[in-house]
Amino acid sequence: ETGVTQTPRHLVMGMTNKKSLKCEQHLGHNAMYWYKQSAKKPLELMFVYSLEERVENNSVPSRFSPECPNSSHLFLHLHTLQPEDSALYLCASSQELAGVGNEQFFGPGTRLTVL
Amino acid sequence: GENVEQHPSTLSVQEGDSAVIKCTYSDSASNYFPWYKQELGKGPQLIIDIRSNVGEKKDQRIAVTLNKTAKHFSLHITETQPEDSAVYFCAASIGRSYIPTFGRGTSLIVHP
Repeated sequence: ETGVTQTPRHLVMGMTNKKSLKCEQHLGHNAMYWYKQSAKKPLELMFVYSLEERVENNSVPSRFSPECPNSSHLFLHLHTLQPEDSALYLCASSQELAGVGNEQFFGPGTRLTVL
Repeated sequence: GENVEQHPSTLSVQEGDSAVIKCTYSDSASNYFPWYKQELGKGPQLIIDIRSNVGEKKDQRIAVTLNKTAKHFSLHITETQPEDSAVYFCAASIGRSYIPTFGRGTSLIVHP
């Protein structure tokens, strides 16, 4: 195990639903990330938090809303999603913002299907 | 911004053969190149990385080479085993606080 857990592992939702993805890291890291992984595409960075402050938002639609209540927990709130939002959503953490010497540790992901 | 191209998208080898995955990057300022392995049902996990002041790095059966002039780097796996079957991602970063840009991934299949 990597020390990063994600719940739920699978989620099916309708376009009008509201749901939340949860990520928890047990590594004492200061930075946390949300990525979207779609088939045949590079990992897409969505949001970055450092010390509970959002430092990056990569032009993500407002139907995705992140929340970082403390350095160990990260949420992704979902509402009025589209079928093209179906993907694997990965959470990651690192000691500091990722780069040289700051390995990112990934959770197993939440497989999201939007009907 | 940085752009990372990765080839091939799928690689099929026989057990015991070698496998090579190649990546190119666009930003000459990139100086950190991690490689991740993603097994089925799991998130990516760092397997090896290289910094721009090093041309080659080895760890048992895996090695990474870097050519800064040509802006490409490669992952080499020797004596492949079925448990090496996974998706491999390369990435490039320009500094300590810069989040890596990932390639599209290579699905490696090792046939027993």
